[in-house]
Amino acid sequence: SQQGEEDPQALSIQEGENATMNCSYKTSINNLQWYRQNSGRGLVHLILIRSNEREKHSGRLRVTLDTSKKSSSLLITASRAADTASYFCATDERNNRLAFGKGNQVVVIP
Amino acid sequence: ETGVTQTPRHLVMGMTNKKSLKCEQHLGHNAMYWYKQSAKKPLELMFVYNFKEQTENNSVPSRFSPECPNSSHLFLHLHTLQPEDSALYLCASSQDPSATEAFFGQGTRLTVV
Repeated sequence: SQQGEEDPQALSIQEGENATMNCSYKTSINNLQWYRQNSGRGLVHLILIRSNEREKHSGRLRVTLDTSKKSSSLLITASRAADTASYFCATDERNNRLAFGKGNQVVVIP
Repeated sequence: ETGVTQTPRHLVMGMTNKKSLKCEQHLGHNAMYWYKQSAKKPLELMFVYNFKEQTENNSVPSRFSPECPNSSHLFLHLHTLQPEDSALYLCASSQDPSATEAFFGQGTRLTVV
C-alpha cells in the first residue's frame, strides 16, 4: 500500500529560519494532510490539501501539492522553538484509509 | 486538547498480564481507530470502527482485542503481549472513515516486560 514518505528525515534550524519538508507518495490521492506530533504525544492535524489544489496557507504554514510529481512540501516560516516536533504527511489510500509516513523530526534551536 | 482522551497515559505490563486501553471522544464522530507507533516505523493502522462496527483489522495478532461498545468509546484489550509490542498506542476519531481529518488522543505508552 502507498504511504507518504517525508524528506528530509531530520532537520535542525535556528529560530527565525524557515523549515521545508517534502513528502512523496506513489498512487493517486484525493487529499494529502500534514500532522504535527510533539514528543510522545498524539498527532495534531495541521492542514489538508485536496488533489485539485496546488497551494494552501494556514498562518505560518504553506503547503504545496504537485500531483504530477506525486509530492508535497510543508514550509514553516519564521520558525519558533515551539515548532520543534515531528511532522507527518498522510495520504488517503485506495480504500480511503489514512497512510502515514515515518515522520520528519524538526528541531528549532532558540 | 483534541477532544479525544486516552487512558492510561503510561502502562507497564508483564507478558502474562491482561490490561485494557481506553479511548473516549465526544466530538460526535462516527469512526474510531487504533494505531501503533513504534520507533523508526510509520504509524500502523490496527483497527477501524464505523458506527460501532469493526470495518477493518489489519492482520493484528489476536493478543490485541478491540471493543467498541458505542460510538464514543473504544477499548483495546491486551493479553499475553510480547516485548516487541511495546510502543505508543494512539486512538483517533474522524467524522467518517473516508480519510478526512483525524483527531488523535495523547496516546498510551506501553512497555511490555
